[in-house]
Amino acid sequence: GNSVTQMEGPVTLSEEAFLTINCTYTATGYPSLFWYVQYPGEGLQLLLKATKADDKGSNKGFEATYRKETTSFHLEKGSVQVSDSAVYFCALSGSNAGGTSYGKLTFGQGTILTVHP
Amino acid sequence: NAGVTQTPKFQVLKTGQSMTLQCAQDMNHEYMSWYRQDPGMGLRLIHYSVGAGITDQGEVPNGYNVSRSTTEDFPLRLLSAAPSQTSVYFCASSPTNSGDEQFFGPGTRLTVL
Repeated sequence: GNSVTQMEGPVTLSEEAFLTINCTYTATGYPSLFWYVQYPGEGLQLLLKATKADDKGSNKGFEATYRKETTSFHLEKGSVQVSDSAVYFCALSGSNAGGTSYGKLTFGQGTILTVHP
Repeated sequence: NAGVTQTPKFQVLKTGQSMTLQCAQDMNHEYMSWYRQDPGMGLRLIHYSVGAGITDQGEVPNGYNVSRSTTEDFPLRLLSAAPSQTSVYFCASSPTNSGDEQFFGPGTRLTVL
C-alpha cells in the first residue's frame, strides 16, 4: 500500500535560516504529491503540489521537487519567518496510468516547525 | 462560498454515548472524506465518498458510520463512543481528480471520557 515518511520533528530555527523537511514515499501507480500546512488552531491548507515526476511545486517561498528516482518530495525554504511556524504534512494521492483517481490522501506524521525571532 | 464547514467545534462525550459530526460543502465537490488527527500519527482516513449514495471505508473505519444522501453533506456517526476515539476530526472535499487539492474544514475536537 501507499505510505509517506517525514523527518522527525520538532524543528526549531532562527528567523532567516534555511529550512528542509524531508519526505519520502512508497506508492503504486502514478501518485500526486502534496505539502499541507496547519497553523495553530486551524485546519489544513494546501501549500504546494506536484502531479508528475520532475515537477516543482512552489508557493510563499516554499519549494518541493517530485523526484521519482529517489521517491522523495523534500520541502525547502531559503529564509524562514516567524509566521512560518506551523505543522507541515507531506501527502500523496494515488492514481493509475489511465488517470483514474483514487482520491484518498495518505499523510506523513507531520513535522512541527517553530521559528524564533 | 463558505467552503467546508464542520459542527460542532468542540464536543465532550461519555463512554457509550453516540453522536453525529456534521460536515457540509458548497463547492459541488463529488469527493468527501473524514480523517482523524492524532499526535505523531498524521491524519488517517476513516471513511470517504465518491458521490451521493456511495461510501467506502478508509484506514480506520471501526466504530464510525457514514452516509451520503446529498452531494453537500457527509455526516460522521459515532455509534458508541470510546476513549480511543478522542481525537481531532477533519472533513475534506475535492473534485475527483487526484491532482486536485482537498479542501479541509476547521475540525472538531472530540473528547471521550
